[in-house]
Amino acid sequence: GAGVSQSPSNKVTEKGKDVELRCDPISGHTALYWYRQSLGQGLEFLIYFQGNSAPDKSGLPSDRFSAERTGGSVSTLTIQRTQQEDSAVYLCASSPGTSGLNEQFFGPGTRLTVL
Amino acid sequence: AQSVTQPDIHITVSEGASLELRCNYSYGATPYLFWYVQSPGQGLQLLLKYFSGDTLVQGIKGFEAEFKRSQSSFNLRKPSVHWSDAAEYFCAVGAPLGQNFVFGPGTRLSVLP
Repeated sequence: GAGVSQSPSNKVTEKGKDVELRCDPISGHTALYWYRQSLGQGLEFLIYFQGNSAPDKSGLPSDRFSAERTGGSVSTLTIQRTQQEDSAVYLCASSPGTSGLNEQFFGPGTRLTVL
Repeated sequence: AQSVTQPDIHITVSEGASLELRCNYSYGATPYLFWYVQSPGQGLQLLLKYFSGDTLVQGIKGFEAEFKRSQSSFNLRKPSVHWSDAAEYFCAVGAPLGQNFVFGPGTRLSVLP
C-alpha cells in the first residue's frame, strides 16, 4: 500500500532486552516522526528526521532510546535494556516536509509490551 | 514553544446530539492547527486543519472547527453525532519551521444510542 507501515505490529519482550521498531514512510516524504502513546495518554513526541538527520532529539526519554534513518526512507527506533515503563504504542508518521503546514500521515503503530 | 490543552478528558453525548470538543493552544505567532481522530484499533486520521484565511474550516465526516485568535482556541464541532464518531480526538499545533508537532492529551468521545 501507499501508507506508512510499521513492524512489528506487536512486540512482547522481557525486561532488559533490546528491541528494534521499524517504520517505512510514504515514498517521497522527507520528514519522519516518532511518537509514544502510553495507555490512556496522549502522544508524546520522541524524535523527528528531516532526511537522514535528526535536528531534534529532545523528546527521547533516556539514553536507552536511539533512532536512525537511512537513505531518507526507513527508520528504526531502538530501545536498549527495556523497562516496564517502556510499554506503549510507538507511532511513526511521515510528512512531505517539516514545515508546520504539512499534514502528518500516521502508521498503525507498534504495541510494545515489556514483561 | 507551542503547547496544547484539551480541557475535557472524556465526553459522552447521545447519538444525534451536537458536539463541541475544546482545544486551547499557546503559540507566539499564527499557529497551524489540526484535529486528528483515532478510532479504536485504527491509526490517527486527519479531520481538518487551519493555516490562514477563513477561520471556520470544514473537515471530513461532517466536522468543522473555528479558529478564535482572541481566545486561543480551535474547537471542533459537529451538529449531529453518529455512533461511529466514538473515538479519541487530538488537537495539535505545528510550528512554521516544523520541529515537533505538539499534540494535546486527547478527548475521548463516547456516543450513547
